[in-house]
Amino acid sequence: EAQVTQNPRYLITVTGKKLTVTCSQNMNHEYMSWYRQDPGLGLRQIYYSMNVEVTDKGDVPEGYKVSRKEKRNFPLILESPSPNQTSLYFCASSLSMGGSREYFGPGTRLTVT
Amino acid sequence: GENVEQHPSTLSVQEGDSAVIKCTYSDSASNYFPWYKQELGKRPQLIIDIRSNVGEKKDQRIAVTLNKTAKHFSLHITETQPEDSAVYFCAVSVGSQGNLIFGKGTKLSVKP
Repeated sequence: EAQVTQNPRYLITVTGKKLTVTCSQNMNHEYMSWYRQDPGLGLRQIYYSMNVEVTDKGDVPEGYKVSRKEKRNFPLILESPSPNQTSLYFCASSLSMGGSREYFGPGTRLTVT
Repeated sequence: GENVEQHPSTLSVQEGDSAVIKCTYSDSASNYFPWYKQELGKRPQLIIDIRSNVGEKKDQRIAVTLNKTAKHFSLHITETQPEDSAVYFCAVSVGSQGNLIFGKGTKLSVKP
């Protein structure tokens, strides 16, 4: 089954404790992206990757890191989480950027206290 | 940088009526314009998109129109049904790369 998986689905953590949210897709997609969703602000892109070892900043990259060492995985790293990173995070992938179906993961709800 | 305005923020229609949501953008180099639907408690889903070399695209009851000169594009839903109730987001690519800027969303309610 074609899918994008994210782990964990829910996480409560404390300020400053490094964490990683994993994202994996089984469709051999080249394009992957991370978004955060906050009430009243809608969706905002954090980072995206056009292919292996090719990543770039989205609209709100501050406080986040990503890596794309292999095609299927695109982890989101918060080196020192802060309360303003409390949000709902979605990972997505598509065969290429634009013009092909985009698959979203189920979301990760992160709370930073 | 790119600025995307989406209107209206809320829209209520009767079942069977049409619904139109409009987005304006500022960067004339933008060339990809997707629309997403997000039902309550679910993940977003891409429902239709358009590239800058096309003026209109249709998929059953959904259509998107693009006016590059005026820098706006619109989502049209005809014969609305209760299952169309959701939040709809427009997005605009920054230049020709993978960076997307989103509108703040429109909550569409379709009343039976």
